[in-house]
Order: sequence, then C-alpha cells, then structure tokens
Amino acid sequence: GAGVSQSPSNKVTEKGKDVELRCDPISGHTALYWYRQSLGQGLEFLIYFQGNSAPDKSGLPSDRFSAERTGGSVSTLTIQRTQQEDSAVYLCASSYRQYGETQYFGPGTRLLVL
Amino acid sequence: DAKTTQPNSMESNEEEPVHLPCNHSTISGTDYIHWYRQLPSQGPEYVIHGLTSNVNNRMASLAIAEDRKSSTLILHRATLRDAAVYYCILRPRFIDNYGQNFVFGPGTRLSVLP
Repeated sequence: GAGVSQSPSNKVTEKGKDVELRCDPISGHTALYWYRQSLGQGLEFLIYFQGNSAPDKSGLPSDRFSAERTGGSVSTLTIQRTQQEDSAVYLCASSYRQYGETQYFGPGTRLLVL
Repeated sequence: DAKTTQPNSMESNEEEPVHLPCNHSTISGTDYIHWYRQLPSQGPEYVIHGLTSNVNNRMASLAIAEDRKSSTLILHRATLRDAAVYYCILRPRFIDNYGQNFVFGPGTRLSVLP
C-alpha cells in the first residue's frame, strides 16, 4: 500500500519568505509526527498530532513555526520568515493509533534557505 | 528522562554478523526498546522492538540484557544495503512529555565493507 508521502521533495527559498511543507500520512493512521534533521544530526521532534489536535507543540523551535492537520489526514508545516538556520530535512511520520507505536516515515522535504 | 548511548560508528564485512550495542542504564520497567534505521537520503524505517524477551523478525534480532540496561541489535548476515544509521530509542508505555519521550539520538553509523 501507499506509504507516507511528503511534498515538495526539495525546496529552495530566500531568507524571509514563508514556506509550506505537506505530509500525507498512511490512510487510517491517526497519529502524525513532524521532525527536523539537520545535516549529520539526529532527528529533532517538532510536533505530534492525534487526529486533528496537537497535544504537544513543545518541539516547535519558535513562533515562526506552526502546523495544522485537517480531516485527520493531511498535515501542513508552515515556517514564516525563514532563516538560514531553518535549512534542514523535515520528516513526517505516522502511526496507526497513538503516540509511540511503530512510526512510518516519509522521504522528507529538503529545505534550503539562502 | 531515559536516554540511550550508542557508539558513533561501526564497521562490518559483508555477509558477516553485526552486533550493534545500546546502553540504557536509566530505563524504567515500562519502557519499550525500539530500533530504527535510516538509509542514506531516506527517512528512518522501523526495524524491531521489545520489552523484556529477545525478539526476532525478518530483518534482525534484538537481544535484551536480563537487567534491561542494555540491548543489542543483531544483523545475522550484513549486506551492503544494511549500511545505515541505526537508532536505539526508548518508548515509554505511559506518556509524560511527548517530545522528550521519543528521542532519536545520533545513532550508530554502520559501514559494510564488500
């Protein structure tokens, strides 16, 4: 079956511009996660959704970062006024029911802020 | 928070077994031990998980120490496609703080030599 998909696969933007990153989880998965991975680093947790609500937004680095999920499916991560330090791979994952179950990851969006 | 420590890197020869260690000396009685791996330019993928008993699946085996303070991921016959970063993660049964409770550290970079 179809896995987690993310779009775009690559994004180059200029400092100060806003970007939107999209995640389509596996159909039927109620839990959705966003992570960020800087070059050569481990994964940094950003936010977790259970259905359309986000019980934990503690990982969002600043108020320039926001995320939403609609219809219990697609999620969008928005970064406003991008900075060069936002350059990273943004990974989305989903799991069947609840936090911590086996996570299935998408291929990521590689964001480069010039 | 329970954390894990892993060697930064390991090497193995093709078609030989590989033992990837993980220390988790502060593990609680209700923490599951999860392993994921990340192939180059891909998102992480689930490998195996366990609680107390050793576990086997088609990808690998997980050996858990009797005191649960360490575990070892075993690849029985390494192939070139097994070259990846391997992450050992603790997942608590009872969630306190989502972001702190499912942390991907730097992992172990496994190189497989032909």
